[in-house]
Amino acid sequence: QQQVKQSPQSLIVQKGGISIINCAYENTAFDYFPWYQQFPGKGPALLIAIRPDVSEKKEGRFTISFNKSAKQFSLHIMDSQPGDSATYFCAASMSTGFQKLVFGTGTRLLVSP
Amino acid sequence: GAVVSQHPSWVICKSGTSVKIECRSLDFQATTMFWYRQFPKQSLMLMATSNEGSKATYEQGVEKDKFLINHASLTLSTLTVTSAHPEDSSFYICSASPGQAYGYTFGSGTRLTVV
Repeated sequence: QQQVKQSPQSLIVQKGGISIINCAYENTAFDYFPWYQQFPGKGPALLIAIRPDVSEKKEGRFTISFNKSAKQFSLHIMDSQPGDSATYFCAASMSTGFQKLVFGTGTRLLVSP
Repeated sequence: GAVVSQHPSWVICKSGTSVKIECRSLDFQATTMFWYRQFPKQSLMLMATSNEGSKATYEQGVEKDKFLINHASLTLSTLTVTSAHPEDSSFYICSASPGQAYGYTFGSGTRLTVV
């Protein structure tokens, strides 16, 4: 019940295209869903996060779509750029106190010029 | 705000020696910090939850005596890899949060190579 399933494992998108990464969770107690971006040799950086009281959140070119009934959420990167090439992790946790994050398996995104 | 500093960024040590990694919250107090381990092309694996002033909580399968965690102040947690062996070579990352509304910030990671 603690798992967060992420797909695809890798993704190649042309510059200017839309990158879509999907995640699914099982634990209905999760109420905080962040996405992290990680470049090689660096720690993950928080991109955007959503809580289940909204179905969508947009920050710049990054949008999270959240489907509470399906227990799924996804990251959309609009107008993908070569600089977006990185590994993306979805995660989930409970927001009461300092709860540990459960991470997805990661998606390696390559945006071709 | 919410900066987490990790030191060193990389370290090479001989097999059998111990290595200490520091994680500092620079602009906030962190009663709880998390330590992760990441192998190449894999996800982050939580090793332990570090609590200020008390013993760390280790995840199942993580050796407490090998990975010593000390959270002696509200801004500093340390991870000591004792009697390191080549299989301990990995990328170690810490994280902390100033509060529920801010999410978790990660350090830049420490690349440990045991030779």
